[in-house]
Amino acid sequence: AQTVTQSQPEMSVQEAETVTLSCTYDTSESDYYLFWYKQPPSRQMILVIRQEAYKQQNATENRFSVNFQKAAKSFSLKISDSQLGDAAMYFCAYRSMEYGNKLVFGAGTILRVKS
Amino acid sequence: DAGVTQSPTHLIKTRGQQVTLRCSPKSGHDTVSWYQQALGQGPQFIFQYYEEEERQRGNFPDRFSGHQFPNYSSELNVNALLLGDSALYLCASSLRSRRTYNEQFFGPGTRLTVL
Repeated sequence: AQTVTQSQPEMSVQEAETVTLSCTYDTSESDYYLFWYKQPPSRQMILVIRQEAYKQQNATENRFSVNFQKAAKSFSLKISDSQLGDAAMYFCAYRSMEYGNKLVFGAGTILRVKS
Repeated sequence: DAGVTQSPTHLIKTRGQQVTLRCSPKSGHDTVSWYQQALGQGPQFIFQYYEEEERQRGNFPDRFSGHQFPNYSSELNVNALLLGDSALYLCASSLRSRRTYNEQFFGPGTRLTVL
C-alpha cells in the first residue's frame, strides 16, 4: 500500500519570501502521479500542481514549483513570492496510474503567511 | 458550468442514527469518490463509484455504504453513527481513466457532527 508523509505540521513565511513544504512517499509502483492540494479555511480542496513520475522535469505553475526526487521518493513544494492568499493547509497526495483515481493524502502542513 | 456540489453543508446527528450525504458531480464526469477528513488530518478514501457500482473501497466498515444514480450523482450513507464519524466528508468527481490524466474536482464538503 502507498503512504504519504508530511513531516512539517506547520510552517510560517514572511510575505514575498520563499517557503518549501516537504513530502515523502512510499510505493512499489514505477508510474504514478503526485499532487499538491491547497485547502483554505473555506474547505474547498484546490489542485495546486501535479507531477507525473515518468517525467524527469520538475513541474512549475507560476509561483509554485516542485522538486521531484524519484529515487529518494521525495516531492517538495516551493512557493515563491508568498502572498497572504497562500495561507492554507497544504496536502501532498499520491495517485496510481492504474484504474481507480484513488488519492492517498498526507496529514497536511498548515502554512501561515506573515505580513 | 457548476462544479461539484454537496448537500447539506452541515449536519448534526446523535450516536446510533443514520445519515445520508449527497453529491452531484461536475458536468461531464462519470466517477464519484468519497473521502472522510477528520479535523486536522488529511482526507481518507472511503470508496469510488462508476457505472452505478462500487469500484474501489478504502478501509472503512460496512456501516459506510453508497449509491450512484444513472445521472452520476451519488449518496453516502452511514449507519449506526459513532462519535468518531464526526468529520468533513468530501466528494470528488472525475472521468474514469487508466493511464491518462483526468483531474479530480472536489466539492466543498459536508461537515458532520455526531453528538
